[in-house]
Amino acid sequence: GAVVSQHPSWVICKSGTSVKIECRSLDFQATTMFWYRQFPKQSLMLMATSNEGSKATYEQGVEKDKFLINHASLTLSTLTVTSAHPEDSSFYICSARASYEQYFGPGTRLTVT
Amino acid sequence: AQSVTQLDSHVSVSEGTPVLLRCNYSSSYSPSLFWYVQHPNKGLQLLLKYTSAATLVKGINGFEAEFKKSETSFHLTKPSAHMSDAAEYFCVVSANAGKSTFGDGTTLTVKP
Repeated sequence: GAVVSQHPSWVICKSGTSVKIECRSLDFQATTMFWYRQFPKQSLMLMATSNEGSKATYEQGVEKDKFLINHASLTLSTLTVTSAHPEDSSFYICSARASYEQYFGPGTRLTVT
Repeated sequence: AQSVTQLDSHVSVSEGTPVLLRCNYSSSYSPSLFWYVQHPNKGLQLLLKYTSAATLVKGINGFEAEFKKSETSFHLTKPSAHMSDAAEYFCVVSANAGKSTFGDGTTLTVKP
C-alpha cells in the first residue's frame, strides 16, 4: 500500500514552453502533498506544500508564478513549470502525506533544451 | 525549526566490511527520522524510520539505525557491505507541520 506515482517519468521540452507533472496517490487519500527539486549530485530541496482545495505554500526563493501547483483532489497534485528555461532542468519529486508519514513518488526528470 | 547534518559526504568501504553513515539532527519537536537510499537516476527508497517507538530500528537489506536523543544522532549501520549498497543515502527529519528536511546526502562506495 501507500504508493505514489508520477507522470511523466521523463520529459524534454523546448525553452519557453510549459510542462505539467502529475503526482498521484494510488491507494490512499492525501490532503497534503509536497514538491521537491533535486539538482545533480545534490539533496532534495522542498519547493512547496500543496494542500487539497487551497493554495500551495511556497518555500522562500521559489517563484510561485513559475511553478504552478494545483491540488484539486485528494489523490492528485500537479506541478506546472511555466516558460521553462534550461536552468529549470532538474529531477522533480513529489510526496504525499498519510498518517504523519510521507511517501515519495519515483520522480520526473525534466530537461529543457 | 529543524535541520539535518550528514557528517560525511563520501564513505568508501570494502565489500564485506561494516558500514557507518552518520547523521545528526536538530528539531524543536519530537522528530520522526528516516533514512532513504537513492540509486543513480532513481527515486527514493525508504530504508527505515524512527517514530518514537524502539530506539533501535531495523530496516530493509540488513540496515539498522539507533536513535540517540542525548547525542541528537541517528546513525545508519550495516554489518557487511554488499556491492549493491553503493548509492546515495539521505537522512531526513520530519516534525513541524509534516515537512521533511533532507540532509545533503552521503555517497557510499563499495570496493570489491
